[in-house]
Amino acid sequence: NAGVIQTPRHKVTGKGQEATLWCEPISGHSAVFWYRQTIVQGLEFLTYFRNQAPIDDSGMPKERFSAQMPNQSHSTLKIQSTQPQDSAVYLCASRSLRNYAEQFFGPGTRLTVL
Amino acid sequence: GEQVEQRPPHLSVREGDSAIIICTYTDSATAYFSWYKQEAGAGLQLLMSVLSNVDRKEEQGLTVLLNKKDKRLSLNLTAAHPGDSAVYFCAVTNAYKVIFGKGTHLHVLP
Repeated sequence: NAGVIQTPRHKVTGKGQEATLWCEPISGHSAVFWYRQTIVQGLEFLTYFRNQAPIDDSGMPKERFSAQMPNQSHSTLKIQSTQPQDSAVYLCASRSLRNYAEQFFGPGTRLTVL
Repeated sequence: GEQVEQRPPHLSVREGDSAIIICTYTDSATAYFSWYKQEAGAGLQLLMSVLSNVDRKEEQGLTVLLNKKDKRLSLNLTAAHPGDSAVYFCAVTNAYKVIFGKGTHLHVLP
């Protein structure tokens, strides 16, 4: 089991460009989460999928952020017109639907917007 | 909504000493509690999780205590070693949403 896979590990974009981050959850895990981590804000919840369906995107900045889970093996987080304040580590996590306490995290994607 | 406070933000201990990190939470209905470790450049690694009906759990040099009356969760690393140096996060879960503490930077000095 490779764990949660996130690609790329590092991404540098210019202001105004688009960034797409990828996540492959652990096989068999039907709950997938995206978080953003910064020094100032800590770990912030962005969005949650259950069985590929979007359940809660209350943490997503509404205008430029979107997330999808087209199949059970991957999810994407897309940021349009990136801004310097979007610079952060974006973490994906998955868990089984039966075990609420144990999320398994990927290594994260460090996004730097110049 | 649920609020989680974690302290201390920074902790330095000597190798072999114990290190204690404490989190307080506000929602008495919280059902699940977890501790995670994050090393530099890595994601969060699950250390231990407990349900709300558990007061104490020990595994491999780690002790988690849950005081529901005071809404306090603690992590005790007994006999810390330099490899334990990392950032530690508590996490509380209600339904599906996980709220994390701000983290504790632990430095174990040789």
